[in-house]
Amino acid sequence: GQNIDQPTEMTATEGAIVQINCTYQTSGFNGLFWYQQHAGEAPTFLSYNVLDGLEEKGRFSSFLSRSKGYSYLLLKELQMKDSASYLCAVMDSNYQLIWGAGTKLIIKP
Amino acid sequence: GAVVSQHPSRVICKSGTSVKIECRSLDFQATTMFWYRQFPKQSLMLMATSNEGSKATYEQGVEKDKFLINHASLTLSTLTVTSAHPEDSSFYICSARSPLGESSPLHFGNGTRLTVT
Repeated sequence: GQNIDQPTEMTATEGAIVQINCTYQTSGFNGLFWYQQHAGEAPTFLSYNVLDGLEEKGRFSSFLSRSKGYSYLLLKELQMKDSASYLCAVMDSNYQLIWGAGTKLIIKP
Repeated sequence: GAVVSQHPSRVICKSGTSVKIECRSLDFQATTMFWYRQFPKQSLMLMATSNEGSKATYEQGVEKDKFLINHASLTLSTLTVTSAHPEDSSFYICSARSPLGESSPLHFGNGTRLTVT
């Protein structure tokens, strides 16, 4: 079956760095997405990786290793507004998105 | 670009009534839209794929007669929850893929919080 694993919850301190991991097993691979979802709101797109390596976008970076079925989202200089759930999603060979359950990130002052 | 608008954002209805949720792509044409449901503290669950000009494709376990989907134009898809019951109370979110290809990211509407009393 297809499976996406990410931690349920993480806690970090304002100003610090946090890494949210995602491992996946899917039938085919056409890219991995990270989305941010604040409570009661719809997800917003953060990043897309289809090739191995690190993609940097401001305070957020996303890494992919296809051979390991592994990705991480790195958040630097954490701000209180970064408190949200972070969803990892993989697009399989049929271009269907397989969603992880999300990681709730709690930022403490 | 690639803005998706969803309406209403919040609706409360009585058990047994029907509710229609609209999803519009504002600045692009979406031949395919996706309808998701999300229960508290759970991930997104794909309900159905809405295809312009043809019947929607429903995921296993989703009742097509209860969740009616109409995609009459390239910019509008509607989801009607018929004979709603309290267990249908959930957060419903539509999305559309930006017109850059099949690997392009999904853009989501703001969601509709449905409460059935």
